[in-house]
Amino acid sequence: QKEVEQDPGPLSVPEGAIVSLNCTYSNSAFQYFMWYRQYSRKGPELLMYTYSSGNKEDGRFTAQVDKSSKYISLFIRDSQPSDSATYLCAMYAGNMLTFGGGTRLMVKP
Amino acid sequence: DSGVTQTPKHLITATGQRVTLRCSPRSGDLSVYWYQQSLDQGLQFLIQYYNGEERAKGNILERFSAQQFPDLHSELNLSSLELGDSALYFCASSPWDRSYEQYFGPGTRLTVT
Repeated sequence: QKEVEQDPGPLSVPEGAIVSLNCTYSNSAFQYFMWYRQYSRKGPELLMYTYSSGNKEDGRFTAQVDKSSKYISLFIRDSQPSDSATYLCAMYAGNMLTFGGGTRLMVKP
Repeated sequence: DSGVTQTPKHLITATGQRVTLRCSPRSGDLSVYWYQQSLDQGLQFLIQYYNGEERAKGNILERFSAQQFPDLHSELNLSSLELGDSALYFCASSPWDRSYEQYFGPGTRLTVT
């Protein structure tokens, strides 16, 4: 079993929809929880990160962490075609990031 | 643009050969990380350097090595290349006091034929 599990998708939604992306993890040592966006053949782009359980909002993006359930989510409001990409969750411990496999999101106009 | 630069963008080489990938971190960042991204394994941590010293090691093969120079740029050396080494190799850097905040470069696509 992988330390970080993420549904690969693809997830297809109409423009304007609310998108929910999720990851589960098994390692209690993870301290920080991040979300990256990766366009095809490009480097991952850090969207946001959180430290503790709870919500963190940045524009149309909300990250949610539930450490008791070992479950994290990223919500995207008012999704746009430009949001179409692969979204990677990542967890930090011991100077390194452990990534989920990524969820491919397609937002259709 | 994250501010992390990597060269070359693409590299095509034959099995058994040796290649060197280069990375320059963001201005002011002391830490450099190397990751490998393949279709079957996803994005995996290889190794971290902080101000010239190795700090953390992941699932890096013995055929692979890295170093960080006094000007903070880093090189990843891959030798005795195999077909399975074909992948995207990313470098990331972070501020000295926030190693969880990693910014990735555009990557080097390595194809071993």
